[in-house]
Amino acid sequence: GQNIDQPTEMTATEGAIVQINCTYQTSGFNGLFWYQQHAGEAPTFLSYNVLDGLEEKGRFSSFLSRSKGYSYLLLKELQMKDSASYLCAVRDSNYQLIWGAGTKLIIKP
Amino acid sequence: ETGVTQTPRHLVMGMTNKKSLKCEQHLGHNAMYWYKQSAKKPLELMFVYSLEERVENNSVPSRFSPECPNSSHLFLHLHTLQPEDSALYLCASSQVASGYGANVLTFGAGSRLTVL
Repeated sequence: GQNIDQPTEMTATEGAIVQINCTYQTSGFNGLFWYQQHAGEAPTFLSYNVLDGLEEKGRFSSFLSRSKGYSYLLLKELQMKDSASYLCAVRDSNYQLIWGAGTKLIIKP
Repeated sequence: ETGVTQTPRHLVMGMTNKKSLKCEQHLGHNAMYWYKQSAKKPLELMFVYSLEERVENNSVPSRFSPECPNSSHLFLHLHTLQPEDSALYLCASSQVASGYGANVLTFGAGSRLTVL
Protein backbone atom coordinates (compact mmCIF):
# COMPACT_ATOMS: atom_id res chain seq x y z
CA GLY A 1 0.00 0.00 0.00
CA GLN A 2 0.91 3.64 -0.19
CA ASN A 3 2.01 5.43 2.94
CA ILE A 4 3.24 8.81 4.14
CA ASP A 5 4.83 9.05 7.59
CA GLN A 6 5.41 12.24 9.53
CA PRO A 7 5.62 12.90 13.27
CA THR A 8 2.29 13.60 14.96
CA GLU A 9 3.48 16.53 17.04
CA MET A 10 6.62 18.60 17.58
CA THR A 11 7.48 21.41 19.96
CA ALA A 12 10.04 24.15 19.34
CA THR A 13 11.07 27.48 20.80
CA GLU A 14 10.48 30.90 19.30
CA GLY A 15 13.52 32.03 17.33
CA ALA A 16 14.88 28.51 16.91
CA ILE A 17 15.00 26.14 13.92
CA VAL A 18 12.82 23.06 13.46
CA GLN A 19 12.91 20.27 10.88
CA ILE A 20 9.75 18.30 10.10
CA ASN A 21 10.44 15.00 8.36
CA CYS A 22 8.29 13.13 5.88
CA THR A 23 8.99 9.66 4.51
CA TYR A 24 6.94 8.05 1.80
CA GLN A 25 6.31 4.76 0.06
CA THR A 26 4.19 5.31 -3.02
CA SER A 27 3.49 3.81 -6.42
CA GLY A 28 5.67 6.13 -8.41
CA PHE A 29 6.52 9.76 -7.72
CA ASN A 30 5.45 12.95 -9.43
CA GLY A 31 6.19 15.58 -6.83
CA LEU A 32 5.96 16.28 -3.12
CA PHE A 33 4.01 19.08 -1.50
CA TRP A 34 4.02 20.78 1.89
CA TYR A 35 0.95 22.63 3.15
CA GLN A 36 0.43 24.67 6.31
CA GLN A 37 -2.87 24.59 8.16
CA HIS A 38 -3.64 26.87 11.10
CA ALA A 39 -6.36 25.64 13.44
CA GLY A 40 -9.79 26.29 11.96
CA GLU A 41 -8.37 27.54 8.69
CA ALA A 42 -7.74 26.30 5.16
CA PRO A 43 -4.54 24.44 4.32
CA THR A 44 -2.27 26.74 2.32
CA PHE A 45 0.47 25.73 -0.10
CA LEU A 46 4.06 26.12 1.10
CA SER A 47 6.33 24.26 -1.30
CA TYR A 48 6.65 21.79 -4.14
CA ASN A 49 9.65 19.55 -4.84
CA VAL A 50 9.97 17.29 -7.83
CA LEU A 51 13.77 17.15 -8.15
CA ASP A 52 16.29 16.24 -5.47
CA GLY A 53 17.71 19.03 -3.43
CA LEU A 54 16.77 22.02 -1.35
CA GLU A 55 14.18 24.65 -2.27
CA GLU A 56 14.43 27.81 -0.19
CA LYS A 57 11.62 30.30 0.25
CA GLY A 58 12.32 32.89 2.90
CA ARG A 59 12.35 31.34 6.37
CA PHE A 60 11.04 28.03 4.99
CA SER A 61 13.02 25.45 3.01
CA SER A 62 12.02 22.04 1.71
CA PHE A 63 14.36 19.19 0.86
CA LEU A 64 13.77 16.09 -1.23
CA SER A 65 15.67 12.83 -1.73
CA ARG A 66 13.78 10.61 -4.16
CA SER A 67 16.15 7.68 -3.73
CA LYS A 68 15.48 7.66 0.03
CA GLY A 69 11.77 8.47 -0.20
CA TYR A 70 12.39 11.35 2.16
CA SER A 71 11.65 15.02 2.52
CA TYR A 72 11.89 17.59 5.24
CA LEU A 73 10.51 21.04 5.85
CA LEU A 74 12.92 23.38 7.63
CA LEU A 75 11.57 26.40 9.45
CA LYS A 76 14.07 29.02 10.63
CA GLU A 77 13.72 31.94 13.05
CA LEU A 78 10.51 30.47 14.38
CA GLN A 79 7.66 32.84 15.17
CA MET A 80 4.57 32.20 17.26
CA LYS A 81 2.46 32.40 14.10
CA ASP A 82 4.25 29.30 12.79
CA SER A 83 2.23 27.23 15.26
CA ALA A 84 0.15 25.13 12.88
CA SER A 85 -0.16 21.70 11.33
CA TYR A 86 2.14 20.87 8.43
CA LEU A 87 0.86 18.43 5.84
CA CYS A 88 3.08 16.40 3.53
CA ALA A 89 1.59 14.99 0.32
CA VAL A 90 3.07 12.97 -2.55
CA ARG A 91 1.68 12.71 -6.05
CA ASP A 92 1.93 9.14 -7.28
CA SER A 93 2.30 7.68 -10.77
CA ASN A 94 -1.46 8.15 -11.39
CA TYR A 95 -1.20 11.80 -10.36
CA GLN A 96 -3.19 11.06 -7.21
CA LEU A 97 -2.20 12.92 -4.04
CA ILE A 98 -1.33 10.71 -1.08
CA TRP A 99 -1.45 12.65 2.20
CA GLY A 100 0.27 12.27 5.51
CA ALA A 101 -1.72 12.77 8.72
CA GLY A 102 0.07 16.05 9.40
CA THR A 103 2.51 17.29 12.04
CA LYS A 104 1.21 19.66 14.68
CA LEU A 105 3.94 22.17 15.49
CA ILE A 106 3.75 23.97 18.82
CA ILE A 107 5.93 27.05 19.29
CA LYS A 108 6.74 28.10 22.84
CA PRO A 109 8.03 31.55 23.86
CA GLU B 1 -14.69 37.62 -2.81
CA THR B 2 -11.48 35.85 -3.62
CA GLY B 3 -10.19 32.30 -3.26
CA VAL B 4 -12.41 29.41 -2.24
CA THR B 5 -15.48 30.05 -0.09
CA GLN B 6 -17.37 27.37 1.80
CA THR B 7 -20.74 27.59 3.51
CA PRO B 8 -21.87 26.88 6.11
CA ARG B 9 -18.77 26.94 8.30
CA HIS B 10 -20.50 24.86 10.95
CA LEU B 11 -23.39 22.41 10.62
CA VAL B 12 -25.10 20.20 13.18
CA MET B 13 -27.55 17.66 11.86
CA GLY B 14 -29.46 14.61 12.94
CA MET B 15 -29.11 11.29 11.21
CA THR B 16 -32.41 11.69 9.37
CA ASN B 17 -31.77 15.20 8.06
CA LYS B 18 -30.86 16.26 4.55
CA LYS B 19 -28.45 19.14 4.15
CA SER B 20 -25.99 20.48 1.61
CA LEU B 21 -22.54 21.99 1.76
CA LYS B 22 -21.65 24.67 -0.76
CA CYS B 23 -18.33 25.66 -2.26
CA GLU B 24 -17.53 28.49 -4.64
CA GLN B 25 -14.18 29.32 -6.22
CA HIS B 26 -13.28 32.70 -7.69
CA LEU B 27 -9.94 31.66 -9.19
CA GLY B 28 -10.98 30.52 -12.67
CA HIS B 29 -9.77 27.00 -11.93
CA ASN B 30 -10.98 23.99 -13.93
CA ALA B 31 -11.03 21.34 -11.18
CA MET B 32 -12.82 21.15 -7.83
CA TYR B 33 -12.49 18.64 -5.00
CA TRP B 34 -14.18 17.47 -1.82
CA TYR B 35 -11.94 16.19 0.98
CA LYS B 36 -12.81 14.79 4.39
CA GLN B 37 -10.48 15.72 7.26
CA SER B 38 -10.72 13.75 10.50
CA ALA B 39 -8.52 14.36 13.51
CA LYS B 40 -5.06 12.81 13.22
CA LYS B 41 -5.91 11.16 9.90
CA PRO B 42 -4.72 11.93 6.37
CA LEU B 43 -6.94 13.96 4.11
CA GLU B 44 -9.36 11.66 2.32
CA LEU B 45 -10.30 12.55 -1.23
CA MET B 46 -14.02 12.05 -1.76
CA PHE B 47 -14.81 13.49 -5.18
CA VAL B 48 -13.10 15.33 -8.00
CA TYR B 49 -14.61 17.27 -10.88
CA SER B 50 -11.86 17.90 -13.39
CA LEU B 51 -12.38 19.24 -16.88
CA GLU B 52 -16.11 18.43 -16.52
CA GLU B 53 -15.41 14.80 -15.64
CA ARG B 54 -16.27 13.36 -12.23
CA VAL B 55 -13.89 11.03 -10.46
CA GLU B 56 -14.85 9.50 -7.15
CA ASN B 57 -13.36 7.47 -4.37
CA ASN B 58 -15.26 4.18 -4.47
CA SER B 59 -15.10 3.88 -0.70
CA VAL B 60 -17.30 6.96 -0.16
CA PRO B 61 -20.78 5.95 1.03
CA SER B 62 -23.76 6.79 -1.18
CA ARG B 63 -25.18 9.03 1.58
CA PHE B 64 -22.76 11.64 0.18
CA SER B 65 -23.57 12.89 -3.31
CA PRO B 66 -21.73 15.68 -5.12
CA GLU B 67 -23.06 18.14 -7.62
CA CYS B 68 -21.04 20.47 -9.83
CA PRO B 69 -23.36 22.71 -11.89
CA ASN B 70 -20.47 24.72 -13.36
CA SER B 71 -16.73 25.14 -12.95
CA SER B 72 -17.12 27.65 -10.11
CA HIS B 73 -19.62 25.88 -7.85
CA LEU B 74 -19.57 22.57 -6.03
CA PHE B 75 -22.08 21.05 -3.64
CA LEU B 76 -22.01 18.07 -1.32
CA HIS B 77 -25.48 16.75 -0.56
CA LEU B 78 -25.81 14.89 2.72
CA HIS B 79 -28.57 12.50 3.74
CA THR B 80 -29.05 9.91 6.49
CA LEU B 81 -25.54 10.47 7.80
CA GLN B 82 -23.93 8.55 10.64
CA PRO B 83 -22.11 9.96 13.69
CA GLU B 84 -18.79 8.74 12.23
CA ASP B 85 -19.32 11.16 9.36
CA SER B 86 -18.63 14.02 11.74
CA ALA B 87 -15.52 15.74 10.38
CA LEU B 88 -14.22 18.82 8.62
CA TYR B 89 -15.17 18.83 4.94
CA LEU B 90 -12.75 20.75 2.79
CA CYS B 91 -13.35 22.00 -0.70
CA ALA B 92 -10.41 22.76 -2.98
CA SER B 93 -9.81 23.90 -6.52
CA SER B 94 -6.87 23.79 -8.91
CA GLN B 95 -5.90 24.52 -12.46
CA VAL B 96 -5.27 21.21 -14.18
CA ALA B 97 -3.00 21.54 -17.19
CA SER B 98 -2.06 19.01 -19.81
CA GLY B 99 1.59 19.19 -18.81
CA TYR B 100 3.34 18.19 -15.61
CA GLY B 101 2.81 21.31 -13.56
CA ALA B 102 2.47 21.41 -9.82
CA ASN B 103 -1.36 21.52 -9.86
CA VAL B 104 -1.39 23.27 -6.51
CA LEU B 105 -4.62 23.01 -4.54
CA THR B 106 -6.30 26.08 -3.08
CA PHE B 107 -8.49 25.08 -0.15
CA GLY B 108 -11.50 26.63 1.48
CA ALA B 109 -11.64 26.96 5.26
CA GLY B 110 -13.96 23.98 5.52
CA SER B 111 -17.39 23.09 6.84
CA ARG B 112 -17.30 21.53 10.32
CA LEU B 113 -20.03 18.86 10.36
CA THR B 114 -21.40 17.26 13.50
CA VAL B 115 -23.87 14.39 13.16
CA LEU B 116 -25.90 13.65 16.27
